[in-house]
Amino acid sequence: EAQVTQNPRYLITVTGKKLTVTCSQNMNHEYMSWYRQDPGLGLRQIYYSMNVEVTDKGDVPEGYKVSRKEKRNFPLILESPSPNQTSLYFCASSFQTGHPSNTEAFFGQGTRLTVV
Amino acid sequence: AQKITQTQPGMFVQEKEAVTLDCTYDTSDQSYGLFWYKQPSSGEMIFLIYQGSYDEQNATEGRYSLNFQKARKSANLVISASQLGDSAMYFCAMSNPYNNAGNMLTFGGGTRLMVKP
Repeated sequence: EAQVTQNPRYLITVTGKKLTVTCSQNMNHEYMSWYRQDPGLGLRQIYYSMNVEVTDKGDVPEGYKVSRKEKRNFPLILESPSPNQTSLYFCASSFQTGHPSNTEAFFGQGTRLTVV
Repeated sequence: AQKITQTQPGMFVQEKEAVTLDCTYDTSDQSYGLFWYKQPSSGEMIFLIYQGSYDEQNATEGRYSLNFQKARKSANLVISASQLGDSAMYFCAMSNPYNNAGNMLTFGGGTRLMVKP
């Protein structure tokens, strides 16, 4: 079954304690990205990756790191989490087509993070 | 920069009636894609429908149709014969695979739809 898998689904942590949210896809997609969802703001992109070892900042990258060592995995790292990073996080993947065809993004189940 | 605006934070519809969720967008690009996603209370993002900027016909997928008016930069979602299971948050999004950010999706703030029995 084609899917994007995020772990964990729920996480409560304390300020400053490093954490990693994992994301894995089995569709051989080149493009992967991380979004955070906050009420009234929709989803905003944090980081994206167009292929292995190619990553770049999205709209709200401060306080986050990513890596893309393998095509299927794209972990999100919070080196020193703060309460303003409390949010719902989504990983997504899609083919990198380079033309405006249906570049549907497949989303993970979401990770609800609370930083206290 | 791209921008998506959804002006209806929440709305009600009677079961079995049709409903239109508004979406306007702003872009200077000629080639782009428009998407609608559904997010039920369980939180997952479900792809509903896609419209390409050069598609001449409005997209349809079952009970979902996209009313695409390019000159007005609007891409409204129409749900026909609403069902209780349609109660959810709906997001309009836009992509432009040609830009430097590849397939980045820009999302609107969402509309919460509630279907009344």
